[in-house]
Amino acid sequence: AQSVSQHNHHVILSEAASLELGCNYSYGGTVNLFWYVQYPGQHLQLLLKYFSGDPLVKGIKGFEAEFIKSKFSFNLRKPSVQWSDTAEYFCAVGLRNTPLVFGKGTRLSVIA
Amino acid sequence: NAGVTQTPKFQVLKTGQSMTLQCAQDMNHEYMSWYRQDPGMGLRLIHYSVGAGITDQGEVPNGYNVSRSTTEDFPLRLLSAAPSQTSVYFCASSYSKETGELFFGEGSRLTVL
Repeated sequence: AQSVSQHNHHVILSEAASLELGCNYSYGGTVNLFWYVQYPGQHLQLLLKYFSGDPLVKGIKGFEAEFIKSKFSFNLRKPSVQWSDTAEYFCAVGLRNTPLVFGKGTRLSVIA
Repeated sequence: NAGVTQTPKFQVLKTGQSMTLQCAQDMNHEYMSWYRQDPGMGLRLIHYSVGAGITDQGEVPNGYNVSRSTTEDFPLRLLSAAPSQTSVYFCASSYSKETGELFFGEGSRLTVL
């Protein structure tokens, strides 16, 4: 069965630090890739998505992600984090004819 | 803009009781799904539906029933609640099962004593 791995369980950064959250998946075929964010006490919302084309995808709030097919990865990045980025981040993979599979999430804590 | 509406937001049950979590969406999405979120486990798919009258099991379907009589509604039923079903439940909808952006409800926090 396909799986989605987010290797970092909890990341703590200072404001203005750069962020990179890892996401790897186990399926070798055509995939659709997503990052969702869940702010404290809120529901999940879409941060960015990749279906095809330019492997560098830009999302909301200055986030971007890069699809590297050879590494089965879709890492999330932000050059300079803010306190308001404190949240849990979920990577998700969509495969042909199956529902999205989510990773276990990475909790990001940004400290002043 | 209502989006995806879940009720109730909070519920406490005793072991063995039954209840239904309601989910409604007003975006005419064909695809609807239920997830449970547990610490360290991420989101796990319980059941999903690709249209009225069609449902299928996800990763963790045991102990839960669903039905889809209309495009708008997708209720989740717990027939005999167990402490292992203590969780936060999210309903989500999309125009497509694998390619569409999922729109999530606010969540329902269920505690089973």
